[in-house]
Amino acid sequence: AQSVAQPEDQVNVAEGNPLTVKCTYSVSGNPYLFWYVQYPNRGLQFLLKYITGDNLVKGSYGFEAEFNKSQTSFHLKKPSALVSDSALYFCAVRDMLDSSYKLIFGSGTRLLVRP
Amino acid sequence: EPEVTQTPSHQVTQMGQEVILRCVPISNHLYFYWYRQILGQKVEFLVSFYNNEISEKSEIFDDQFSVERPDGSNFTLKIRSTKLEDSAMYFCASTNAQGASGYTFGSGTRLTVV
Repeated sequence: AQSVAQPEDQVNVAEGNPLTVKCTYSVSGNPYLFWYVQYPNRGLQFLLKYITGDNLVKGSYGFEAEFNKSQTSFHLKKPSALVSDSALYFCAVRDMLDSSYKLIFGSGTRLLVRP
Repeated sequence: EPEVTQTPSHQVTQMGQEVILRCVPISNHLYFYWYRQILGQKVEFLVSFYNNEISEKSEIFDDQFSVERPDGSNFTLKIRSTKLEDSAMYFCASTNAQGASGYTFGSGTRLTVV
């Protein structure tokens, strides 16, 4: 069965500094990987995905993520954080061998960007 | 951009009552899902639905839960006899192309059981 680990409950960063939110995964087959962001009392908003191709994926709001197959990681990054990036971030994986095509989510990482 | 629509946005119900949460997935999507998020915590998979039947369900999705696609557009989650611990945000999602096109989530229904 697939699983996702987000080892940090919270990441704190100063505005203007680079940020990284970590994600590692476990699947039986090849993965589809996703990042979603959730603002308070809101739904899940899609940021970016890795399906195939280039390991570096660029998404919304200046975020990017790098797929690393050997380390089974898909860390989310941004070169320069904004206070408005403060939110809850979820990594999710779909196992290509899973016939229901469901997404499994990590436990979430709260990003706090201080002015 | 196409959206997944969920109604109601917030529902308060008495313990033991039945509730139906409604979702309208994106029209050309074929795979449908319900997820649950207890306040600010992990997003948990409940059930997947394809071709008018459940393709997979989690341990959470016990006999009190059921899903239905009654008319080709709506996708509903019924909780037969609600418990206090069913209080959560419930998200509907849909996808096509087996997920390669991405998964679109609705804005959720906050269920409060009192």
